[in-house]
Amino acid sequence: DIVMTQSPDSLAVSLGERATFSCKSSQSLLYNSNNKNYLAWYQQKPGQPPKLLVYWASTRESGVPDRFSGSGSGTDFSLTISSLQAEDVAVYYCQQYYTTPWTFGQGTQVEI
Amino acid sequence: QVQLQESGPGLVKPSETLSLTCTVSGVSITSYYWSWIRQPPGKGLEWIGNIYYSGTSNYNPSFQSRVTTSIDTSKNQFSLNLRSVTAADTAVYYCARGRFFDFWGQGTQVTVSS
Repeated sequence: DIVMTQSPDSLAVSLGERATFSCKSSQSLLYNSNNKNYLAWYQQKPGQPPKLLVYWASTRESGVPDRFSGSGSGTDFSLTISSLQAEDVAVYYCQQYYTTPWTFGQGTQVEI
Repeated sequence: QVQLQESGPGLVKPSETLSLTCTVSGVSITSYYWSWIRQPPGKGLEWIGNIYYSGTSNYNPSFQSRVTTSIDTSKNQFSLNLRSVTAADTAVYYCARGRFFDFWGQGTQVTVSS
């Protein structure tokens, strides 16, 4: 199985400040034939299902504010919130869909 | 718009089978992968398995011997059976679409207890 490791486990950021957190995979998620990284990011608020933010490591889902951006390739990825808003308090998960079993990171809790 | 809705018993006895159904609306189930994902209380997300409209399934090895998924294209539904449950299977169970999950159900709480 591909192990996904997120860091840090929790992060406190002031309103309007930048938040960046990391996701590392135990093997490369880059598929050479199409040059795509099979990595997605989700936001989960209490009592709600996760919400897709980013897929293919850096493609923002429709309707997601542009303050969210994903980057990275291979085994190292990050999600950045350029200017933290109060509504961004949530747990963020990365997920690989390169191969089954599809696996998630343990999550990063973002707080104000 | 695409919507997914889980349904099934909220309480299952130990050693019995957990059975859930996901009803999909707004899109035909005859495309995409359709997955089951669970979240134990206070913990992270765990992918259980998926099914394609052709009936092809993939399962997490952690559940391989206990899990079965099925699909009913006439009802636009897919289902999960998890056998021999224990208290460790207590979780919110979600159904979701795709390989990266762009649509999710609201989740259904399943408690395993006698």
